[in-house]
Parts: sequence; C-alpha cells; structure tokens
Amino acid sequence: DIQMTQSPSTLSASVGDRVTITCRASQSFSRWLAWYQQKPGKAPKLLIYKASSLESGVPSRFSGSGSGTEFTLTISSLQPDDFATYYCQQYNSYPWTFGQGTKVEIK
Amino acid sequence: QITLKESGPTLVKPTQTLTLTCTFSGFSLSTSGVGVGWIRQPPGKALEWLALFYWDDDRRYSPSLKSRLTITKDTSKNQVVLTMTNMDPVDTATYYCAHREPAAGTLDYWGQGTLVTVSS
Repeated sequence: DIQMTQSPSTLSASVGDRVTITCRASQSFSRWLAWYQQKPGKAPKLLIYKASSLESGVPSRFSGSGSGTEFTLTISSLQPDDFATYYCQQYNSYPWTFGQGTKVEIK
Repeated sequence: QITLKESGPTLVKPTQTLTLTCTFSGFSLSTSGVGVGWIRQPPGKALEWLALFYWDDDRRYSPSLKSRLTITKDTSKNQVVLTMTNMDPVDTATYYCAHREPAAGTLDYWGQGTLVTVSS
C-alpha cells in the first residue's frame, strides 16, 4: 500500500494568508493525486485532481503541484469559507489511500 | 446533474452483516470509465477507501477488508450495493458512496453519507 502523510496536521492561519499543505507518499508516482476539502458533517469535495488540475467550479486561489513523493496544495489567499479539513488521496495504485488530514483553523 | 444517496441500517449488532445501497442518478454505470466507490470515515478520523465498481464489471477492494466486502450493481435500479460481513464496533463510521469520473480518474461527486453504528 502507498502510505500518504500530510503535514502539518493542524494549521492556524488568518484570512488573506497564503497556506501550503504538503502530502508525502511512501512510494513515487507521477500525477494520480487528488485533494479534497471537508467541512464538519459534510461529504468531501474534490478540489484538485491529477496533482494540479483544478476541478470545475473551484476557486482559482486553490492550486496543486508536485510529483514523485511530494505534493502540495496551496491556497493563495485564505478566505473565511476555506476553514476546513483537507485530505490528499493517491489513486496511482490499489488500494486507494488518503492522508490523515490537515485541519485549517482560524488564527 | 449527478447525485448519489446512501441508504441502509443506522445500527447493526456485532457479527451481523451490513448491507448499504447507493442509489444514483445523472450518469450511467455502463459508460466507459465510470465507477462507483465506497469510502468510510470513523467519527473524528480520516477517510478510508473500501471498494470500487467499474463500468466493465471490474471490482476493486481494500486488501485489508477484502474477505468481508462484496460490491455489486443493479443496473435497472441505478444502484450499487456494498455488503460487509462480521461487523465490529470498530466499523462504526459514516459510509459514503461516490462517482468515479473517467477524465479525472477519481471521485468527484459524493453522497451525503450515512452513519452506521455497530453496537449490541
């Protein structure tokens, strides 16, 4: 199984901050990496697929990059609606695996 | 417009078999590349992928749960069914089904989830 490790686990930030979340994989792969946003009591929402492709309808302040074993999700200017938990997910090989999550809190 | 909705029992006893149904609309499970997956999330914990049913009847399972899982489809009803045998309290979680989008390769539309509690 490919293990996905996110850092940090918790992030405190203010509106307008630039935020970066990192996801490290236990094995290298090219681009089959997705990022999801989840709010309490809600289903995850797809933000980024194929490491850097923005899902339709997702604001352009979200971006993804990386390949190999290190991937990042960047929020260029944090908005009030962005306080949530974020998960990375690899779908390069089965079983598909998720990171443990990064909670973005209000500072 | 793609929608998915999970249904099934909210409470099961240890050792019982859980049967969850995902009823979907807005897409066909006969379309090349399309799939329906199941994912769960214990309270306060991370997401865990369980299984995926593809348009060509290919099925994929989490190896750690494979002996307990079965995923099937009912094309006429636009449903995908997940059964999990020998339920245990550690299986208490919100269970989600989701649409696998061919171009993206992963899960783009998710159901609202259903909380299943395992307790005697």
